[in-house]
Amino acid sequence: IAGITQAPTSQILAAGRRMTLRCTQDMRHNAMYWYRQDLGLGLRLIHYSNTAGTTGKGEVPDGYSVSRANTDDFPLTLASAVPSQTSVYFCASSGAGGADTQYFGPGTRLTVL
Amino acid sequence: KQEVTQIPAALSVPEGENLVLNCSFTDSAIYNLQWFRQDPGKGLTSLLLIQSSQREQTSGRLNASLDKSSGRSTLYIAASQPGDSATYLCAVENTGNQFYFGTGTSLTVIP
Repeated sequence: IAGITQAPTSQILAAGRRMTLRCTQDMRHNAMYWYRQDLGLGLRLIHYSNTAGTTGKGEVPDGYSVSRANTDDFPLTLASAVPSQTSVYFCASSGAGGADTQYFGPGTRLTVL
Repeated sequence: KQEVTQIPAALSVPEGENLVLNCSFTDSAIYNLQWFRQDPGKGLTSLLLIQSSQREQTSGRLNASLDKSSGRSTLYIAASQPGDSATYLCAVENTGNQFYFGTGTSLTVIP
């Protein structure tokens, strides 16, 4: 059982480029989340999805979009990357939309130059 | 907006010592509180989840308590081991699937 996989592991990106971070879970969890982790700021929620076909905004959604076409996949897209989006991005999932433990992926380290 | 604070930011203890990590939050209307562990360069691993109606949860050498009315939680680690060295994060869930994390306590257990 892989749990949650994220790709790529790391990426260096020129400002203005479009980038999609991939997240796949094999636990059949209903809820999925995207966070960014920055030194001194901790983890902040970007977007979430309670179930396939629905998404919602977290604390810092600007500049990011998500989709949830099926249960397993929850990609995060940066339409036009900016240097302030340099961060470590974590995907997570839980069985019952927050009433259950969150399981985290290994993260994607993104650098925008 | 919910604010989650963890004190201390860093802690160093000798092996075998019992220790307490603190977490406080400003908005007591939470659904649950979770404690996580994060090793350097890795994702987060959930340690304990306390629902808002609960007072504490235990798992092995770990015990987490929750006092929702005062906006506080503690994570107690008994008989610390070098393998416990990591960053410990607490997170609360508020209305509308909003999760808020503290910035963590970096724990070093010295052999």
